[in-house]
Amino acid sequence: EAQVTQNPRYLITVTGKKLTVTCSQNMNHEYMSWYRQDPGLGLRQIYYSMNVEVTDKGDVPEGYKVSRKEKRNFPLILESPSPNQTSLYFCASSSTAFGQQGRSGANVLTFGAGSRLTVL
Amino acid sequence: AQSVSQHNHHVILSEAASLELGCNYSYGGTVNLFWYVQYPGQHLQLLLKYFSGDPLVKGIKGFEAEFIKSKFSFNLRKPSVQWSDTAEYFCAVNQAGRRALTFGSGTRLQVQP
Repeated sequence: EAQVTQNPRYLITVTGKKLTVTCSQNMNHEYMSWYRQDPGLGLRQIYYSMNVEVTDKGDVPEGYKVSRKEKRNFPLILESPSPNQTSLYFCASSSTAFGQQGRSGANVLTFGAGSRLTVL
Repeated sequence: AQSVSQHNHHVILSEAASLELGCNYSYGGTVNLFWYVQYPGQHLQLLLKYFSGDPLVKGIKGFEAEFIKSKFSFNLRKPSVQWSDTAEYFCAVNQAGRRALTFGSGTRLQVQP
């Protein structure tokens, strides 16, 4: 089954304790992205990756890091979590050329189930 | 910067009522438009999308949306809602050439049986 898998689904941690949220997709997608969802703000993009070793900042990258060493994996790293990073996080992927005009099939994102993170 | 506005934050309807959720965006160039739905406890799923052609697009579960370029709008409609449509609905816009999807703040739809 084609899917995006995130782990952990739920995590409670304390300020300053480094954590990693993993994301893996089995669709051979080039494009992957992380979003955070907060009440009243919708989803905001944290980082995205067009391909292996190619990452770029989204709208709210502060406090986060990512890496893309393999095509299927795109982990989100919180080096020193703070309470304002308490949120619901979604990983998403898409096929080639996400964002290119005319590539209609490439613009649909497949989302993971979400990871709810609480930082105390 | 591009923005997406969903003016209805919480909508409560009775079953069989008609639904229209508003979505407006700020970018004047070529855009790709989407509606995603998030059922309680589940991840986001694509409801429908518009890239080009007929501005009236049909999606899953009887939903449709109309792209009105002059109004920068992409409103979602359904003639008769069901209890199972209770969910949060997100409008999203991809500006042609940009590698990002900008989401609206979402509309929580509650359908009462």
